[in-house]
Amino acid sequence: AQKVTQAQTEISVVEKEDVTLDCVYETRDTTYYLFWYKQPPSGELVFLIRRNSFDEQNEISGRYSWNFQKSTSSFNFTITASQVVDSAVYFCALSERFGSQGNLIFGKGTKLSVKP
Amino acid sequence: DAEITQSPRHKITETGRQVTLACHQTWNHNNMFWYRQDLGHGLRLIHYSYGVHDTNKGEVSDGYSVSRSNTEDLPLTLESAASSQTSVYFCASSELRGTSGNTIYFGEGSWLTVV
Repeated sequence: AQKVTQAQTEISVVEKEDVTLDCVYETRDTTYYLFWYKQPPSGELVFLIRRNSFDEQNEISGRYSWNFQKSTSSFNFTITASQVVDSAVYFCALSERFGSQGNLIFGKGTKLSVKP
Repeated sequence: DAEITQSPRHKITETGRQVTLACHQTWNHNNMFWYRQDLGHGLRLIHYSYGVHDTNKGEVSDGYSVSRSNTEDLPLTLESAASSQTSVYFCASSELRGTSGNTIYFGEGSWLTVV
C-alpha cells in the first residue's frame, strides 16, 4: 500500500542553520511522483516541488534543495541558511500512476520553527 | 490571475445542521478535490471529481457529499454536521483527468467548527 512517512514531527533550529526534513515513501508503482508543500502559519498550502520517479537528479532552488534516492525510497528536503520566514509545516506527498488516481497521499508533516 | 477560492473561510455550526463549503476555481481544471486536515493525520482525501457530473469517494467520505454541475465548482456538503467533522477543509484542483503527476493547487482552506 502507498504511504508517506515524515518521522520528524517538529524541528527547531536557529536562524542560519541548515536543516533537513526527511521523507520516506512506500509504493508498488514504478511510475510515481513526489511533492513537497509548505504550510505557513497563515494556513495556505504552497507547492514547492514535484519530481517523477524516473528523474533522480537532485534539485536546487535558491536555499532549497531536494535529494531523491530511489534506493532508500527517500525524498529529503534541505533548507540552507534557514530564515525565520521558513517557519512552517512542510508536507511530503506521493502521487502514484495507478494506485491513487492522481490524488495526493500526504505525510503527517514536519513543523519547522526557525528562531532568530 | 487564475485561482481557487473557498467560502466561507471560517464557520461555526451546530451539530445536526447541514453545511455546504463552496469551492470555485478559474483555471478550467478538470480535476477537483476536497481534503480535510487534522492534527496527527495530515491531509486526507474526502471526495474528488474528474469532470462535470463525475464524483468519487476518497479515504474519509462518510458524512460528506459533493456534486459537480460545472467545471469551476465543487461544493462539499456535510449532511448532518458532527463534532468529529470539526476540521480545516482544503479544496484543490489539477489539470488532467485521472493523470498522476499533475501539480495539485490548493485553496486557502475553510475552518469549520461544529459545536
